Amino acid sequence: EVQLVESGGGLVQPGGSLRLSCAASGFTFSNYWMTWVRQAAGKGLEWVASIKEDGSEKQYVDSVKGRLTISRDNAKNSLFLQMNSLRAEDTAVYYCARYSGDYHYFPYWGQGTLVTVSS
Amino acid sequence: EIVMTQSPATLSVSPGERATLSCRASQSVSSNLAWYQQKPGQAPRLLIYGASTRATGIPGRFSGSGSGTEFTLTISSLQSEDFAVYYCQQYNNWPLTFGGGTNVEIK
Repeated sequence: EVQLVESGGGLVQPGGSLRLSCAASGFTFSNYWMTWVRQAAGKGLEWVASIKEDGSEKQYVDSVKGRLTISRDNAKNSLFLQMNSLRAEDTAVYYCARYSGDYHYFPYWGQGTLVTVSS
Repeated sequence: EIVMTQSPATLSVSPGERATLSCRASQSVSSNLAWYQQKPGQAPRLLIYGASTRATGIPGRFSGSGSGTEFTLTISSLQSEDFAVYYCQQYNNWPLTFGGGTNVEIK
C-alpha cells in the first residue's frame, strides 16, 4: 500500500525557515516523480514544486522560486521542501503527492502538514 | 501559465440527480486533464485522468469528457458520499495548474 506521511509543519515568523519532510513507503520511491501541493484555509489547490525521479529536474511555481527548494533522498525514501524567506501568503496545508508514472497527475497523496507564517 | 476556470462555483443538487461540472482551459491542454474530489479535512482523491479515464476504484457514475479547452465531469446519480469539492488540473504545461473548484452541495 502506498503511504505518504508529511512532517515538519508548524508556526514560523515571516522571513523564517522551515523544512518539510515526506516519508514514502509501499512503492519504489526512486521510480517516481514527486510533488508538493498546497492549500490555504478555505481556498483551492496550488501546485508548488515537482522533482524528477533522480532529482535531475525540478519545477516550481513562480511565486516560490528562489525561496522554496524541493529535494529528495532516494536512499531514505524521503521528499523534502526547504522553505526560506517565508511570507504570510505561504500559510497553507502542504501535501506531498506521488506522480502516476511519467504523467503529471497525482493518484496518491499524504494527509498534509500545516505551515503557519505569522508574527 | 494556463488558467483553469471551473463553473459553477457552487452546484446544489438533490441525491439521485445528475451533476454536470465544467472546466475551461485558457489554452489547449489536449487531453491532459485530471479531476479530483476533496472532502473537508481530507486530501484530494484522483477521480479521472486523461480527461476521461476513471482512476482505480472510482465508481462508474463518475465520467469525464472533453479535450482541448472544454471539459466536463458528470456524476450520473449523486450519492450522499459525493457531496464534496471537485477540482480540475491540467498537466499539459508547466506550471501545473488547478481550477478554483466546484462545491457540490445538497439541495
